[in-house]
Amino acid sequence: AQKITQTQPGMFVQEKEAVTLDCTYDTSDQSYGLFWYKQPSSGEMIFLIYQGSYDEQNATEGRYSLNFQKARKSANLVISASQLGDSAMYFCAMREVYNQGGKLIFGQGTELSVKP
Amino acid sequence: GAVVSQHPSWVICKSGTSVKIECRSLDFQATTMFWYRQFPKQSLMLMATSNEGSKATYEQGVEKDKFLINHASLTLSTLTVTSAHPEDSSFYICSASSQFFSGANVLTFGAGSRLTVL
Repeated sequence: AQKITQTQPGMFVQEKEAVTLDCTYDTSDQSYGLFWYKQPSSGEMIFLIYQGSYDEQNATEGRYSLNFQKARKSANLVISASQLGDSAMYFCAMREVYNQGGKLIFGQGTELSVKP
Repeated sequence: GAVVSQHPSWVICKSGTSVKIECRSLDFQATTMFWYRQFPKQSLMLMATSNEGSKATYEQGVEKDKFLINHASLTLSTLTVTSAHPEDSSFYICSASSQFFSGANVLTFGAGSRLTVL
């Protein structure tokens, strides 16, 4: 069964600094996708970045980059130049292609607080 | 881009009543919709997967008679919480997919519905 683990319940970062949010996963499927979502206090799920299991290069989207280490089964999110508006819950998620009906399974989440 | 509308955004009801939450894909056909439940400071827990025209597939531990899911069309899925009790108070959020799997841009979330049962 697929499993997503985020071991950092809470993180603090100084404004303008970079921060890494950890995520490890476990799957028996060869084809899968890894996602990061941001959830502010309003509750909406904001898609940040996606990495496919066959993508050779790490995904980047503006200030977000995904450090994908397939052999270690890790997909850490790096946020550069943190902003106060980055304070939110961050969820790592995985979706298998052939197993589990394509459903998206989430990790426990990391609450990020950006200090001015 | 793809938009999913979820309604109502918040609802308060009395214990014992039923509440219906709608999830609509506005500009695409959603062959699959996923319903999640989230308690405060916790992760999103998948409740069920619904495919248009067929019965929903519920996750282990989710009562199918309590959480009725209907996906009658390619743009609408509904979650009905029957005989709601205070422990059903939670944040319910849906996600819609236009195809089985083709990357991140085909999985869109609604804004969520906050249910409070008195």
